[in-house]
Amino acid sequence: EAQVTQNPRYLITVTGKKLTVTCSQNMNHEYMSWYRQDPGLGLRQIYYSMNVEVTDKGDVPEGYKVSRKEKRNFPLILESPSPNQTSLYFCASSLWTSGGTDTQYFGPGTRLTVL
Amino acid sequence: AQKVTQAQTEISVVEKEDVTLDCVYETRDTTYYLFWYKQPPSGELVFLIRRNSFDEQNEISGRYSWNFQKSTSSFNFTITASQVVDSAVYFCALSDSYIPTFGRGTSLIVHP
Repeated sequence: EAQVTQNPRYLITVTGKKLTVTCSQNMNHEYMSWYRQDPGLGLRQIYYSMNVEVTDKGDVPEGYKVSRKEKRNFPLILESPSPNQTSLYFCASSLWTSGGTDTQYFGPGTRLTVL
Repeated sequence: AQKVTQAQTEISVVEKEDVTLDCVYETRDTTYYLFWYKQPPSGELVFLIRRNSFDEQNEISGRYSWNFQKSTSSFNFTITASQVVDSAVYFCALSDSYIPTFGRGTSLIVHP
């Protein structure tokens, strides 16, 4: 079954305590990305990756890091979380062909609260 | 800069009605992609469609259809014979690179 898994689903943490949200896909997709969703601000992309060792900033990368050491995994790292990073986070993966329909698959979301 | 406008904040219909969700976009690029996503009350995000700017053919998938008109920079989404399970927030998005810009979403409520 094609899927994107994210862990944890829910996390409450404190300011400054490093955390990692994992994301893994089983479809051999090149393109993976992270989004955050906030009331009033909508969905915004944090980082994306076009392949192993190829990552780039999205719209709101400040305070986040990512890595892509294996094709299937794309973890999101918050080295020193702050309350303004309290949000709902989604990981996604897809192919990215120029003309195709390229179905995009999302993880179930991670609800993060930073106190 | 890219911009996506979903002017309808909330739409309320009765089951079996047809409903169209509007999406108007702005971009200076000639090559871009348009997307629609669904977010049901349970909170997950569901991909519905991706269209590239060179493909203006309308798309139909079951009760869903999409009308892409470059002349008016619109990519509207129609649900035919709506059902209660269609109740969700629907997002339109535009990408001229690998970074999408999302609209604010339209909340669709389908009453039985």
